[in-house]
Amino acid sequence: DAKTTQPPSMDCAEGRAANLPCNHSTISGNEYVYWYRQIHSQGPQYIIHGLKNNETNEMASLIITEDRKSSTLILPHATLRDTAVYYCIANAGNMLTFGGGTRLMVKP
Amino acid sequence: DAMVIQNPRYQVTQFGKPVTLSCSQTLNHNVMYWYQQKSSQAPKLLFHYYDKDFNNEADTPDNFQSRRPNTSFCFLDIRSPGLGDAAMYLCATSRPGLAGARQETQYFGPGTRLLVL
Repeated sequence: DAKTTQPPSMDCAEGRAANLPCNHSTISGNEYVYWYRQIHSQGPQYIIHGLKNNETNEMASLIITEDRKSSTLILPHATLRDTAVYYCIANAGNMLTFGGGTRLMVKP
Repeated sequence: DAMVIQNPRYQVTQFGKPVTLSCSQTLNHNVMYWYQQKSSQAPKLLFHYYDKDFNNEADTPDNFQSRRPNTSFCFLDIRSPGLGDAAMYLCATSRPGLAGARQETQYFGPGTRLLVL
């Protein structure tokens, strides 16, 4: 699995977009980028994944740079319920290796 | 709703007393995983089953064992819990992925928090 680097914490104002960066400079060609989040005292929850192209679903958007060395998860209108630890994972195959993640605090 | 269920949510055991944590799923997924998550740390994979094939992570202590009697159920057995085994234990399931292809989404249960006295 490629190593990922994320800022340990970020704040975001409620209603504003939350942009969470992830660096994965050693990612290989067949490794996907996945994002999961973990709300306090719950199990992790899948958010989105991508390989090369930008992706969007009902939860978030994923922007992957052209060289694939970094990506950004965008929560377009953050709510208080989006307060969680967000994990960026880069790998191929069926295993998840969680790194430190970013603790996102959404504030009123 | 299809889901991953873990019982109990909180488990207290004594130092050295065997304990079993359970996980069940209604998703009919082939793959089941057990993770350990210590306080303020990220989840760490202990082992996983692909159907009945058991796959242990290299650094998972021998103190941790698992059983999967059927597709729906999976158990985590801790033979002699130590104080360092106090953690949240997470069960997850997924469909099998293809080698080199995108990983299938993992669905996590709410976890069982284990306290060792």
